[in-house]
This record gives sequence, structure tokens and C-alpha cells, in this order.
Amino acid sequence: NAGVMQNPRHLVRRRGQEARLRCSPMKGHSHVYWYRQLPEEGLKFMVYLQKENIIDESGMPKERFSAEFPKEGPSILRIQQVVRGDSAAYFCASSPGRVYNEQFFGPGTRLTVL
Amino acid sequence: AQTVTQSQPEMSVQEAETVTLSCTYDTSESNYYLFWYKQPPSRQMILVIRQEAYKQQNATENRFSVNFQKAAKSFSLKISDSQLGDTAMYFCAFMVTSGTYKYIFGTGTRLKVLA
Repeated sequence: NAGVMQNPRHLVRRRGQEARLRCSPMKGHSHVYWYRQLPEEGLKFMVYLQKENIIDESGMPKERFSAEFPKEGPSILRIQQVVRGDSAAYFCASSPGRVYNEQFFGPGTRLTVL
Repeated sequence: AQTVTQSQPEMSVQEAETVTLSCTYDTSESNYYLFWYKQPPSRQMILVIRQEAYKQQNATENRFSVNFQKAAKSFSLKISDSQLGDTAMYFCAFMVTSGTYKYIFGTGTRLKVLA
């Protein structure tokens, strides 16, 4: 049973470009969480999605950031017009249901904005 | 608002010795889970141990155990017989069993095991 997959593992963008981060949850998991880890900090919740629905986006910056989890395919975290402050590791975690006591993490995507 | 505090940014321990990492949290909820995650240089988040708040018995996983003091809102991790492979960042995390079940993480403790 493959774990949570994230790609790319490393992404370099110049200021003003767009970044797309992909997350494929574990087989049978329909709930996806995105977290951001700034340098030397802990992970911070960004958004929680179920298939085709955003359930909680209370941790998402109001502008430039969006997320989706379509019926088919991976979950996408999209950052438009990236700035240097967006440089961070972005982790995706999945679970089989909302009422579940553990999330399973992917390896993360390290975004560097030049 | 729920918060998790790890007051030790860095710690070191000699190989084969025992070390305790501290964590306190703040919540008004009565039902929740507490976790310790390990993040080695690869950055992969690895679950070390989990504690259910309604269970009084402290969780144990091989060399890892916790001291859960619910009234004091304290959740420390003890690593016995430390090994070089234990060198990593350790994050304490909290999950309320209502709403969206998201994690709230502390800022981490960097542990170095010395040969």
C-alpha cells in the first residue's frame, strides 16, 4: 500500500511565478490536509479538503493561495505570484475519514522562491 | 484557541542515556489526542507515539514513553537507551476530536544524540 505521494519534492520559482504542488493520498483515503512549515518552525495547518469540497480553509492566506481536491486525480495546492516569504516546506497528509485519530504524511515539497 | 508549547529548542544526550522532551498545551476541550512526531533530516514526518486524552495510562512504544498529566496539560516524551538514529526534530502535536480534526503543532525540539 503506497503512502502519501507528493510532487515535486523540490520546486524553484522566481518571484511572480505560479507554484503548483500535488498530493496523492493513500489508497482509500478521501480526506486531505495541507500544512506549511516555515524554516525553523513547526507545521501550521492551511486547509482541509474532502473530495470536491473545501471543508476548512481557516489557515490559508487570503490572497494568492488556493486548493482543490477533484473527484479524480490528486489534490493541488496552488500559489499564484509567489513571493520570497512563500519559501517553505509544504506537507500533505491524508486520512480515511474525518473522525479518525491520525493523519499520514507525505514527504513534503520544498518550495524555494528566488 | 488551542496552543502547543515546546520550551526546549535544542537538547543533546549521550548515546544509551535517557532524555525527556517537554510539551505543554492549552485547550478547553475534553476530548483530544496528543502526538509526538519525529522529523529527521529527510523531513519525513514519522509518528513516534500517540496518547488519547481519556486514557489515564501513559502510552509506550518500545524505547519511547510519555508522561501525560491531563490536569497540568503536560505531555512529555521520554526516550530511553538513546540511539544515534534518534537525532531529529521532535514535534508535539494536538488534535481535537471535533470539527476538522486538524493538527496543532509545537515549534519543535532539536535533539542530538552524541556518540
